[in-house]
Amino acid sequence: NAGVTQTPKFQVLKTGQSMTLQCAQDMNHNSMYWYRQDPGMGLRLIYYSASEGTTDKGEVPNGYNVSRLNKREFSLRLESAAPSQTSVYFCASTDSAPYEQYFGPGTRLTVT
Amino acid sequence: GEDVEQSLFLSVREGDSSVINCTYTDSSSTYLYWYKQEPGAGLQLLTYIFSNMDMKQDQRLTVLLNKKDKHLSLRIADTQTGDSAIYFCAESLSGYSTLTFGKGTMLLVSP
Repeated sequence: NAGVTQTPKFQVLKTGQSMTLQCAQDMNHNSMYWYRQDPGMGLRLIYYSASEGTTDKGEVPNGYNVSRLNKREFSLRLESAAPSQTSVYFCASTDSAPYEQYFGPGTRLTVT
Repeated sequence: GEDVEQSLFLSVREGDSSVINCTYTDSSSTYLYWYKQEPGAGLQLLTYIFSNMDMKQDQRLTVLLNKKDKHLSLRIADTQTGDSAIYFCAESLSGYSTLTFGKGTMLLVSP
């Protein structure tokens, strides 16, 4: 089992460019999450999908969109990247209680 | 609202015990978790405790929960240099799978 995989690992964008971060899990989990991690801020939830076909906003959704493509895949899209979106992005998945979340290795994004 | 607080930094010597502390504000927390993040990597779940438990032990790790004071701690016995990492405390609320994370405690273990 690969667990949670994310692509790409690194990305540099110019302000205004768009891109999609990909996430896939092979654990047959129902719920998937996107977080961003910034120095001194911990992890903040951007969007989540409690089950296939549903998505909900988290703490910091502005500037992002998501798609739950199927049970395995959950993508995060930046339509018009801004320097404030420079961050490390983590995808995670979980199933039923006790809701242990399993994390991918992260995507390091720099917007110049 | 939900809030999880941790001290930012802890330094110990190899072989000592480390205690990382966390406080949370929401009394309806159902599960509390400890995650470890090594440099350049994602978060790895170390252990979790159900809110009706006081203590959980797993090899070198001991989790203590004081519900009255909303205080959670992680004790690492015989700390090794490989334990150097950032440790995150997190909580989930009853019926919800979303987690609220603290800002993380950086543990530095010196030889």
